[in-house]
Amino acid sequence: RKEVEQDPGPFNVPEGATVAFNCTYSNSASQSFFWYRQDCRKEPKLLMSVYSSGNEDGRFTAQLNRASQYISLLIRDSKLSDSATYLCVGLGGYNFNKFYFGSGTKLNVKP
Amino acid sequence: DVKVTQSSRYLVKRTGEKVFLECVQDMDHENMFWYRQDPGLGLRLIYFSYDVKMKEKGDIPEGYSVSREKKERFSLILESASTNQTSMYLCASSRTLWTSGSTGRAHEQYFGPGTRLTVT
Repeated sequence: RKEVEQDPGPFNVPEGATVAFNCTYSNSASQSFFWYRQDCRKEPKLLMSVYSSGNEDGRFTAQLNRASQYISLLIRDSKLSDSATYLCVGLGGYNFNKFYFGSGTKLNVKP
Repeated sequence: DVKVTQSSRYLVKRTGEKVFLECVQDMDHENMFWYRQDPGLGLRLIYFSYDVKMKEKGDIPEGYSVSREKKERFSLILESASTNQTSMYLCASSRTLWTSGSTGRAHEQYFGPGTRLTVT
């Protein structure tokens, strides 16, 4: 089983829609998670950190559900510029020194 | 702003050549990482380093080696390039992983722009 798993999508949504992605993780002891955004042929860039129950930044909300071992990313009022691939990241390894990336969820926001 | 730079954006090499990919970060980060990214497989960790001259194998180290002689620089070496090493290579850096005790907390990684390597 992969450390971090995501639905690859694509999620095709109209502008203004609310969209949510989930990401499951296998290491129940991990306490650090991240969401990265990656545009086509560019490097991943940090979107949000999730250390405890959740985090909110403007239109973006990330939540952590420890009981079910998943994190979610909610995007409200989607913009065309939100179109990208969203990568979920969790920690693993014997000393939590490895970052495990999901394969990414592709979002297409249409006019 | 954290800045991670990579020596080349695009590189074309022949099978059997020795290839050097260089990565430099300017934020005095202790940890540096090399990944490759392939369609459908996501980012896969090749090697990482948590201190000068220290290195640890990631999930796919075969065919690669690394060197970290200075804190700011982490090099990835393909000893004898093969066509299955055609990929996007991404370097990343982060501050030290442990913040306190065994909380499992970590600092985020910052990525370089990537090197798209083609081996023919």
